[in-house]
Amino acid sequence: TQLLEQSPQFLSIQEGENLTVYCNSSSVFSSLQWYRQEPGEGPVLLVTVVTGGEVKKLKRLTFQFGDARKDSSLHITAAQPGDTGLYLCAGDTGNQFYFGTGTSLTVIP
Amino acid sequence: GAVVSQHPSRVICKSGTSVKIECRSLDFQATTMFWYRQFPKQSLMLMATSNEGSKATYEQGVEKDKFLINHASLTLSTLTVTSAHPEDSSFYICSANSRAVTDTQYFGPGTRLTVL
Repeated sequence: TQLLEQSPQFLSIQEGENLTVYCNSSSVFSSLQWYRQEPGEGPVLLVTVVTGGEVKKLKRLTFQFGDARKDSSLHITAAQPGDTGLYLCAGDTGNQFYFGTGTSLTVIP
Repeated sequence: GAVVSQHPSRVICKSGTSVKIECRSLDFQATTMFWYRQFPKQSLMLMATSNEGSKATYEQGVEKDKFLINHASLTLSTLTVTSAHPEDSSFYICSANSRAVTDTQYFGPGTRLTVL
């Protein structure tokens, strides 16, 4: 079993649509990161959230850390083909770093 | 920002040979380096955690005699896949923690290993 479950696992949408990716756990994290990975490349850090309830915005991407620091969400507004990739959340318990199960997003032009 | 490099980016080898992959932190000293394995469209699977000057800590199910890790300095860790077999073919990614920002991992670009 994975410590961090992401949903959905796969998502295919039309350009211009909105979407939300969820990252859930029963464990508490001192911080949580979101990464995006393109095929054949390493993950690229998008954001780090550390405070319960924190909301961070990165252009069309909005990240939220749950109040209890057990879950997070990533919302993309008006998705573009360039948003296509594998989105990974990752949580730090202070002792170890755990990756989520991943969400593969395809944005169709 | 912090940069991590991996070499080689792609390698093809024959079954039974050994392959070494290097991971370097280019502009920072890494407290800890991590080695991951990834299958297509799946998340990263942590193989081992490597601390400079000490033995690596392997995750359950990862054979330490098959995946040799050496963390020679604060900027270099190597993963050697010994006696490689086709089932070892995968995308291997390393990451490094920066001492300055300990809750952030910086990832290398990955190494695609194909064992024939």
